[in-house]
Amino acid sequence: EVQLVESGGGLIQPGGSLRLSCAASGFSFSTSWMHWVRQTPGKGLIWLSRINGDGTSTDYADSVKGRFTISRDNAKNTLYLQMNSLRVDDTSVFHCARADSYGFDAWGQGTLVTVSS
Amino acid sequence: DIQMTQSPSSLSASVGDSVTITCRASQAISNYLNWYQQKPGKAPKFLISSASTLQSGVPSRFSGSGSGTDFTLTINNLQPEDFATYYCQQRYITPPYTFGQGTKLEI
Repeated sequence: EVQLVESGGGLIQPGGSLRLSCAASGFSFSTSWMHWVRQTPGKGLIWLSRINGDGTSTDYADSVKGRFTISRDNAKNTLYLQMNSLRVDDTSVFHCARADSYGFDAWGQGTLVTVSS
Repeated sequence: DIQMTQSPSSLSASVGDSVTITCRASQAISNYLNWYQQKPGKAPKFLISSASTLQSGVPSRFSGSGSGTDFTLTINNLQPEDFATYYCQQRYITPPYTFGQGTKLEI
């Protein structure tokens, strides 16, 4: 069974840093494109970043470019999102997701990040 | 970036009804359109790819259609488990992958 489990969320002050993790199991992690998507009640689902299977190719949404870094450890079957210079409007539930050729075919339930002083 | 607009934002219906949700792209995207279902506190679920291809295990009461800029998701004979929020998403020009704002289907 494909499973994605995020962790690392919490309450953080504006300007702070946080690293999210996504533990993957049940599929060939090292050959899968992986993504981070965030979700807020007001703005719905917003794609943030992607990384290819061997970690050599990454892309980011303009809103997080230069602040967030996606990475992976295939030996640990784990995806990461390093988030720096956090802002109040980064407050969201962060999901990791696997992509096949057509769409996001597996998602984690998400981890909540609250940026507030 | 391609903008995706769903309508309505929310919809009330009853068990046994049929409903249609619309998704419009800001430019033509051929059939590169996906639909997802999300229940409260749960992860989104991939329902339909390429505008009309049901993912494995998705009941046949779900159907999708459209091409270009206008797409629809139709659910026939609504069941209690279908009450959820539905999102469309384009994969024509990526990144970024853009989603509609969601349609909440309520009893």
